[in-house]
Amino acid sequence: EAEVAQSPRYKITEKSQAVAFWCDPISGHATLYWYRQILGQGPELLVQFQDESVVDDSQLPKDRFSAERLKGVDSTLKIQPAELGDSAMYLCASSPRRGDSNEQFFGPGTRLTVL
Amino acid sequence: EDQVTQSPEALRLQEGESSSLNCSYTVSGLRGLFWYRQDPGKGPEFLFTLYSAGEEKEKERLKATLTKKESFLHITAPKPEDSATYLCAVIDSWGKLQFGAGTQVVVTP
Repeated sequence: EAEVAQSPRYKITEKSQAVAFWCDPISGHATLYWYRQILGQGPELLVQFQDESVVDDSQLPKDRFSAERLKGVDSTLKIQPAELGDSAMYLCASSPRRGDSNEQFFGPGTRLTVL
Repeated sequence: EDQVTQSPEALRLQEGESSSLNCSYTVSGLRGLFWYRQDPGKGPEFLFTLYSAGEEKEKERLKATLTKKESFLHITAPKPEDSATYLCAVIDSWGKLQFGAGTQVVVTP
């Protein structure tokens, strides 16, 4: 069964360092999402891609976060510099359809701890 | 303002003790309501999509129902392996998936 892949699964870093997360969506899925989930809360959307284009990055803290999906397949989310408040689970999801958020399939996530 | 509220926050059940989780929402023109299951340290796993009031979906011991203001996830005769956090989400006015905080379910033998 096809799955969304993410790496690394865990990342510990010190504040002010740079970190990067990678996501490979299910093959053929046009739409890719990055979410942040703080412990005890539901996921919150950071950025949405349709193919290689950003559709929505209104909740992405652009002074320190960046995301790209250069060839419309896999994607990278970067934080530079990391802050203590960035400690969270970063989830990637993909959807086979374009447009509105439909059924999304999530990867296992990257647990980030900023010291 | 679009909102998704789940209750209770936590639920402890004995094996075989059926119960229901609630998801209430305020969104203009519902375009879809989703239920996910999330195990500790893992990503959410898709369970159901509901689109219109009166719709029902079933999967093993889980049954999801939808009204105009809320959705219920019924767990019938739960087993310990049903222990997880159950997340509800709706497509909001901006076309984005907005999640509730989840209900943490623990089923004891």
